Amino acid sequence: GQSLEQPSEVTAVEGAIVQINCTYQTSGFYGLSWYQQHDGGAPTFLSYNALDGLEETGRFSSFLSRSDSYGYLLLQELQMKDSASYFCAARTGRRALTFGSGTRLQVQP
Amino acid sequence: NAGVTQTPKFQVLKTGQSMTLQCAQDMNHNSMYWYRQDPGMGLRLIYYSASEGTTDKGEVPNGYNVSRLNKREFSLRLESAAPSQTSVYFCASSETFRTGRTDTQYFGPGTRLTVL
Repeated sequence: GQSLEQPSEVTAVEGAIVQINCTYQTSGFYGLSWYQQHDGGAPTFLSYNALDGLEETGRFSSFLSRSDSYGYLLLQELQMKDSASYFCAARTGRRALTFGSGTRLQVQP
Repeated sequence: NAGVTQTPKFQVLKTGQSMTLQCAQDMNHNSMYWYRQDPGMGLRLIYYSASEGTTDKGEVPNGYNVSRLNKREFSLRLESAAPSQTSVYFCASSETFRTGRTDTQYFGPGTRLTVL
């Protein structure tokens, strides 16, 4: 089967840096995505890593190590609006995108 | 562009009733998906459609049927609703996945379904 593990909850303060880890066990792997979801909202795409290394998009960066089956999302200069759930998702085939259970990030003033 | 739209936004059903959730996208995407999200959990794939006229089962297809009416529309039908189907249902669309290209799914606003 396919499984992705990520912490259930992370708390940080405004202006800080937080890292959300994701480890995966999948049969077949093409890349790792990250999605943000605010309470009551729809998931929105943040980033995708197909190759090892760091991808940077503004305050958000995502990292992938295929050899370690591991990735992380790095959020810098945290803002209150970053309080949301963050999901990693592994692309394991043409139709298959398997999601983790999500990490709830609480940003405190 | 409206992106991905879903109707209805909320629905309450009694056990045994049927209903169809509608989804449409205006981004000319080939791939469309139906997911369910239960409280505190990630999204689980119900059905997938790679193109008009084709559908494939996902992780949790039991109790559901789908129709890819045309390139824009992908509907999800519950023939006989059960309390276990109480969930938030999201439709999504994307370009056909190809290695080496970014993998972005665009989600609709969701349908919040309660089955009593």
